[in-house]
Amino acid sequence: QQQVKQSPQSLIVQKGGISIINCAYENTAFDYFPWYQQFPGKGPALLIAIRPDVSEKKEGRFTISFNKSAKQFSLHIMDSQPGDSATYFCAANGYKLSFGAGTTVTVRA
Amino acid sequence: NAGVTQTPKFQVLKTGQSMTLQCAQDMNHEYMSWYRQDPGMGLRLIHYSVGAGITDQGEVPNGYNVSRSTTEDFPLRLLSAAPSQTSVYFCASSAVFGNQPQHFGDGTRLSIL
Repeated sequence: QQQVKQSPQSLIVQKGGISIINCAYENTAFDYFPWYQQFPGKGPALLIAIRPDVSEKKEGRFTISFNKSAKQFSLHIMDSQPGDSATYFCAANGYKLSFGAGTTVTVRA
Repeated sequence: NAGVTQTPKFQVLKTGQSMTLQCAQDMNHEYMSWYRQDPGMGLRLIHYSVGAGITDQGEVPNGYNVSRSTTEDFPLRLLSAAPSQTSVYFCASSAVFGNQPQHFGDGTRLSIL
């Protein structure tokens, strides 16, 4: 069973809108939460990551919000652009890296 | 700087055939791993290595073998291919084992008929 549950499976957003992807985990031993971005035909690439002692991390238009008590974290893509169209994976690392199932984001121009 | 290089990019096999997927990295990373990616299931860890001569099983190791004779190379062997092994395989590396960014190759798309 997947240790990290990710939703939604897919989403469509208009250019300039906000994309929100949510993830939940059970294992309290996880201590590193990266997000990966994957374009078709390519491998995943690290987008942004957070550790559980921080509640929010922002890099450009991408923000991770982390709620340790709820064991949930989310990725917000502000001012979404067509170039952001990709599949996004959340992950959690304790002993090994566990991935969510992925969210395909489509940004309409 | 090539990063993580996987070969071949595409492969079609018949059931029962064996083959080796190649992975090489030029970043002097200690940690290397193999994942398979299937629709709706994210990436699942097959095998990993924390350094030359050391390998261990991941989440879905059955039907696969690995070895790590050098820091640079981490081949994945399919012993007797089965249709259930049809997938996209990714190799990844990071500087050390633990909370480090992983660098992925572009994958090998494998079909087993």
